[in-house]
This record gives sequence, structure tokens and C-alpha cells, in this order.
Amino acid sequence: AQSVSQHNHHVILSEAASLELGCNYSYGGTVNLFWYVQYPGQHLQLLLKYFSGDPLVKGIKGFEAEFIKSKFSFNLRKPSVQWSDTAEYFCAVVNYGGATNKLIFGTGTLLAVQP
Amino acid sequence: NAGVTQTPKFRVLKTGQSMTLLCAQDMNHEYMYWYRQDPGMGLRLIHYSVGEGTTAKGEVPDGYNVSRLKKQNFLLGLESAAPSQTSVYFCASSSIDLRGNEQFFGPGTRLTVL
Repeated sequence: AQSVSQHNHHVILSEAASLELGCNYSYGGTVNLFWYVQYPGQHLQLLLKYFSGDPLVKGIKGFEAEFIKSKFSFNLRKPSVQWSDTAEYFCAVVNYGGATNKLIFGTGTLLAVQP
Repeated sequence: NAGVTQTPKFRVLKTGQSMTLLCAQDMNHEYMYWYRQDPGMGLRLIHYSVGEGTTAKGEVPDGYNVSRLKKQNFLLGLESAAPSQTSVYFCASSSIDLRGNEQFFGPGTRLTVL
């Protein structure tokens, strides 16, 4: 069965620090990958997505992610975090070509940025 | 466009009571989903629908029922609520795209079962 692992459950950073959140998935076929963000008290919003092409994907608010197929990874990065980046971040994967578009989510990483 | 809306936003139930959560989308999406979000467990799929009149079980369907009588609405029912169903419930929708298109989420319903 497909699964998504986010190894960092809680991350605390100071403003201007660099961020990297890990995401690994377990599926041998072609997948599409997503990072969603959930700000406190809000619903999930798409941060970025990878379908094909350049494995380095740029999203909103200065975030980027790199798809490394050989490592089954899709890590999220940001060079310099801001206090407003405090949120929970979810990695998700869907089987390319599946008939249901079902997302498998990781357990989330709670990021707290200290001013 | 309102996107995906959910009603109610909050609800408190006693064990054994029933309720229905309503999800509506105005994006003409074919696919709709119900998730529950619990601390440390991410989002887990309860039920989903690939079109009007169709529903299917997700990862954690027990204790829930759904209906998709109209394309724009997806209802989640709890027939006999249990404390284990205390959670935040999110509805989502997406268009038909076999590449796995983006899902759009509603604001959530926070349910407490006493």
C-alpha cells in the first residue's frame, strides 16, 4: 500500500533560518506529489505540486521542493523562513493514472517560527 | 466563487446522537472527498465520490455514511456518534484529471462527541 512519511513532526526555527522538511513515499509507480500548508485555524491550501518535468518545483511564498525519484523523496525547502510561515505542512502523493485521484497524506510537520 | 463550503463549522454531540455534515462546491468538480484530521495522524480519507450518485469507501469508513445526490453536494452522516469520532472533518473536491489534480479543501467542521 502507498504511504507517505514525514520524519519531522515538530520543527522550531528562528526567523531567517533555512528550512527543509523531509517527505518520502513508498510507491513504485508514477506518482504526482503535493505539499499542502495549513495555517492556524484555516483549511489546507496547496503550496506546490509536481506532475512531471523539472524536478525542482517552485511554489508560493518562496517555497520550493525537489523530487528525487531514486530516493522516493519530495523535500520542501525555503531559504529564509518568516514568522508568518508558522503552520502545519503536509506532503501528499497520488497514483498517476488512478481513477479516483485519492491523495495519501503524511502525518504532517508542525513548523513554529520564532521572531 | 465560494469554492468549497462546509456546514456547520462547529458541533457538539452526545454519544449516540446522529448528524449530517454538508459539503458544497461551486467549481463543477466531479470528485469529492471527506477526510478527518486528528493530531499526529494527518488527514485520513473517510469516503469519496467520483461522480453524482456514486460513493466509495476510503481508509476509515466505519461509522460514517455518505451520499452524493447532486453533483455539487456531498453529505457525511454519523448515525450513532461515538467519542472516537471527535475530530476535524474536511471536505475536498477536484476535477477529473487522471494525472491526479489538485484537491480544493473546505474550511472544516470541528466535531466533539461527549
